[in-house]
Amino acid sequence: EVQLVQSGAEVKKPGESLKISCKASGNSFSTHWVGWVRHVPGKGFEWMGIIYPLDSETRYSPSFQGHVIISADKSIDTAYLQWTSLKASDTGMYFCVRPPAGITGYFDLWGQGTLVTVSP
Amino acid sequence: DIQMTQSPSSLSASVGDRVTITCRASQVIGNSVTWYQQKPGSPPKLLVHSASRLESGVSSTFSGSRSGTNFTLTITSLQPEDFAHYYCQQYYSAPWTFGQGTKVEIK
Repeated sequence: EVQLVQSGAEVKKPGESLKISCKASGNSFSTHWVGWVRHVPGKGFEWMGIIYPLDSETRYSPSFQGHVIISADKSIDTAYLQWTSLKASDTGMYFCVRPPAGITGYFDLWGQGTLVTVSP
Repeated sequence: DIQMTQSPSSLSASVGDRVTITCRASQVIGNSVTWYQQKPGSPPKLLVHSASRLESGVSSTFSGSRSGTNFTLTITSLQPEDFAHYYCQQYYSAPWTFGQGTKVEIK
């Protein structure tokens, strides 16, 4: 069974950097895009962006472009979401997501989520 | 961005009830809508894609439909395990966007 396993919860201060990870089992990276979705209570779900690990083609939501970096290492089937300077508004639950093969727009596989808390 | 207006935000129902949740898109988006179910402490689970195609393994008590820019998720006979949050999402045009969610509670 294919799974996406994310790194653990993080507590950071504004201005700090952070990189969270998502490891796929079952050789998913050879045939699928991998993306990130944020959930903030009261604000809902927001699609952040997506990467094709085989060639690193990356697409960002305009709301997150320039503030986060999505990357992947296909040799270890792992995707990353990175911030160079966190803000309090980055607090939320971050889900790694995988669309079906050949698709980018919806997600049939989700990681367990990584809670990121940014507080002074 | 395409706005997905989901209603109601919450509802109370009993086991065996028929439940309907609606999302209205801010523009024409064809059939590019999915529905997810989320239970506390778990990630969302894909129920329906392409507006009306049931994901493999999902109970046939769930169904999706489209009328113009209005999309509906119907649960024909609510089961105890169906009490959860439900979200629609459009994937017609990036950035993909979600509805605000519907909480289905036990009456």
